[in-house]
Formats: sequence, C-alpha cells, structure tokens
Amino acid sequence: EAQVTQNPRYLITVTGKKLTVTCSQNMNHEYMSWYRQDPGLGLRQIYYSMNVEVTDKGDVPEGYKVSRKEKRNFPLILESPSPNQTSLYFCASSLMATGELFFGEGSRLTVL
Amino acid sequence: RKEVEQDPGPFNVPEGATVAFNCTYSNSASQSFFWYRQDCRKEPKLLMSVYSSGNEDGRFTAQLNRASQYISLLIRDSKLSDSATYLCAVLSYSGNTPLVFGKGTRLSVIA
Repeated sequence: EAQVTQNPRYLITVTGKKLTVTCSQNMNHEYMSWYRQDPGLGLRQIYYSMNVEVTDKGDVPEGYKVSRKEKRNFPLILESPSPNQTSLYFCASSLMATGELFFGEGSRLTVL
Repeated sequence: RKEVEQDPGPFNVPEGATVAFNCTYSNSASQSFFWYRQDCRKEPKLLMSVYSSGNEDGRFTAQLNRASQYISLLIRDSKLSDSATYLCAVLSYSGNTPLVFGKGTRLSVIA
C-alpha cells in the first residue's frame, strides 16, 4: 500500500530534550516536505527536499533541522524543543514538486 | 495581501444543497492549483487539481480564473460525508515555499 509513515504519532516532551520525528514513504517520491499546522495559522512549510541531499527552508524553519540521506526518509529534528513548537506536524511527499502531495497521518507534539 | 486567502466559514448547509468556495491568490506567476480535503484531526488529502479549462469529478467542480486570480470549488447535492475543511493550494516557483496552502474553509452539511 502506498503510504507516508510518520513516527511517533503522539509525543509529550519537555523543553530542551532533543527529539526526532521520522518520515518514510514507499512510493519512490523525489519531493518530501514537512509542515506544521496550528489553529488559525493553517499549514506552514518547515523544510522541503527536492531529492536526496537537497533540502531547503520553508516559511518557518527556525528551531528545526532535516536531512535527506535516502530517498525514502526525511526525518525532522528538534534539537532543543520549546513550547512554541507544540503543534501538529505533517510529512508529505510527491513524485516531483508538482503540488499533488501525499500526507502522513500527522504527529501531534506537545512540548512542556 | 496574503498569498492565498480563503473564507474560513463555517458554511452550514442542508443535505442536497449546492455550495461554492473561493480561494484568492496574490502571485500572478502561480502555475498550478489544487483543492485538498481535511477531516477533523486527520491529514489533508488531495481532492482535485484545478486545470485552466476547469474540471469536474462527480459532484465536485473546480474552476480557475487567472484574470481575477482565484480558484473555486463547487459541491453539488451535498452529503453529510462532505463535512470537512477544504484547503486550496497554489504552486509557484518563487519565494521560500513552492506550494502555499490557504487556511481552509470549514463546511458542515446538516441533515
């Protein structure tokens, strides 16, 4: 089954404790992206990747890191999480940067 | 002016009604346009792409008006299962973010 898989789906953590949200797709997609969704602010792009070893900042990259060492994986790293990073995070992929995205089920992160 | 704007709603309509949403965009160089559907606490899912000539998929019709820089989504014969938030998305290869989403329009179809 074609899918984008994110883990963990739910996480409560404390300020400053490094965490990684993994994202994996099995569709051989070149383009992958991370979004956060907050009430009243909609979906905002954090980082995206056009292909392996190619990553670019989106609109809200501060406090996040990403890597794209393999085509299928695009982890999101929060080196020192803060409460303002409490949000619902979505990973998405597409064959190319065409706008026809497949989204993961989301990861709800709470930073205390 | 924000890049992509939508009326947040909610639009509360009875079953069987026809409802239309608009989405305006500010970048005249935008190239591709999409409607996504998002159910509560779920991931967005692509509903349809919007072509220059317009396109129809069953009860759903999407239109593009480049001159006035908006796209529209028309839902005919609304079903209870159409209740969701509808996000428009606009693709352009300028700025930080190739694909920009609107904040969504919430639709509630009532029995």
